[in-house]
Amino acid sequence: LAKTTQPISMDSYEGQEVNITCSHNNIATNDYITWYQQFPSQGPRFIIQGYKTKVTNEVASLFIPADRKSSTLSLPRVSLSDTAVYYCLVAGSSASKIIFGSGTRLSIRP
Amino acid sequence: DSGVTQTPKHLITATGQRVTLRCSPRSGDLSVYWYQQSLDQGLQFLIQYYNGEERAKGNILERFSAQQFPDLHSELNLSSLELGDSALYFCASSVFDKSSNYGYTFGSGTRLTVV
Repeated sequence: LAKTTQPISMDSYEGQEVNITCSHNNIATNDYITWYQQFPSQGPRFIIQGYKTKVTNEVASLFIPADRKSSTLSLPRVSLSDTAVYYCLVAGSSASKIIFGSGTRLSIRP
Repeated sequence: DSGVTQTPKHLITATGQRVTLRCSPRSGDLSVYWYQQSLDQGLQFLIQYYNGEERAKGNILERFSAQQFPDLHSELNLSSLELGDSALYFCASSVFDKSSNYGYTFGSGTRLTVV
């Protein structure tokens, strides 16, 4: 499984766009990039997944450059309720388990 | 509601005791995964079952064991409990046995407190 590196914490304000970048230099050809969100005392929740270029859903966008060695989760116009820990995971279809890193603790202020 | 059901939500027990945590996967999912999350720490993968068979093992202690039953629900058994076993225990499910590219669905967890 590819190792991921992401900032330990980030702060932002309501209404701002937040971008969280994850490095995964050893990503393999068949690896997908998945982001999860976890609120305190709750299980992680799937946010978005991508393989290359850009993916967008109703919650976030995921930008993946051509070399796929990093990815950026973009949260548009955040609110206080976006305060959570965000995990970046990289694994391929051959992996039978997901290993979570330390995640990024995002704090949104009024 | 994610569709993954974990019971009980809270459990308080004494050191040396044994407890059983239960997980019912989302309808249609064949894989069940167990994770442990201690206070302010990341999620530690414990073990995975697919359609009743063990498929992957992580950092699971010998005092811990799990199984998946024919109806696909799973139980995590924790014995000879120690104070350090206090944590949130999450169960996740997925359709396939090797489905990291499809994402997992997590339950709301069982908070175990060992006193």
